[in-house]
Amino acid sequence: QQQVKQSPQSLIVQKGGISIINCAYENTAFDYFPWYQQFPGKGPALLIAIRPDVSEKKEGRFTISFNKSAKQFSLHIMDSQPGDSATYFCAALGGSNYKLTFGKGTLLTVNP
Amino acid sequence: DAGVTQSPTHLIKTRGQQVTLRCSPKSGHDTVSWYQQALGQGPQFIFQYYEEEERQRGNFPDRFSGHQFPNYSSELNVNALLLGDSALYLCASSLEGQGKNEKLFFGSGTQLSVL
Repeated sequence: QQQVKQSPQSLIVQKGGISIINCAYENTAFDYFPWYQQFPGKGPALLIAIRPDVSEKKEGRFTISFNKSAKQFSLHIMDSQPGDSATYFCAALGGSNYKLTFGKGTLLTVNP
Repeated sequence: DAGVTQSPTHLIKTRGQQVTLRCSPKSGHDTVSWYQQALGQGPQFIFQYYEEEERQRGNFPDRFSGHQFPNYSSELNVNALLLGDSALYLCASSLEGQGKNEKLFFGSGTQLSVL
């Protein structure tokens, strides 16, 4: 049972463009939604996170948009750069759980 | 400030063997979680250790076991290895006081290949 669905699987964007990755969740007990960035040969690194009491959070070029009624959230990367090329994972945590549930990931390629 | 360190970085085993992976958490962290990441997939939660006890376990068979030491470091043991156990094994540390371990710091992982 996949509790966090992520799309697209892969994404190609030109330098300076906007990258958008979407996630949907099923478990309404989730109350913390982070995004992780992973480069080849490295572990995931926390990028930005949001709680359901706000609809948007921005940190630099990275923005999370959250729609609680639709149980969806998305990552927007503004002014995408070649150095942003990596795999991005959405995740969710909540309820009595200590485990982070990850999406399957999106491979982002930013062309120069 | 050292981050999460894992050893070894790569490991090759044959089916049926046993393996032990090691993790040292980020300085100041007291909680260790282990995740399995198959190729092209997101990490899957194996279990979490806090105060030297397994606090929560994911959907993994009991061939997967672990331990946490008084210095907060941890080991992951896998017995009777199967081909399907080939994956990147990630250790993540966090601080218990920070709201149910929301801020996880991951190591670079151990790449396990089972032949």
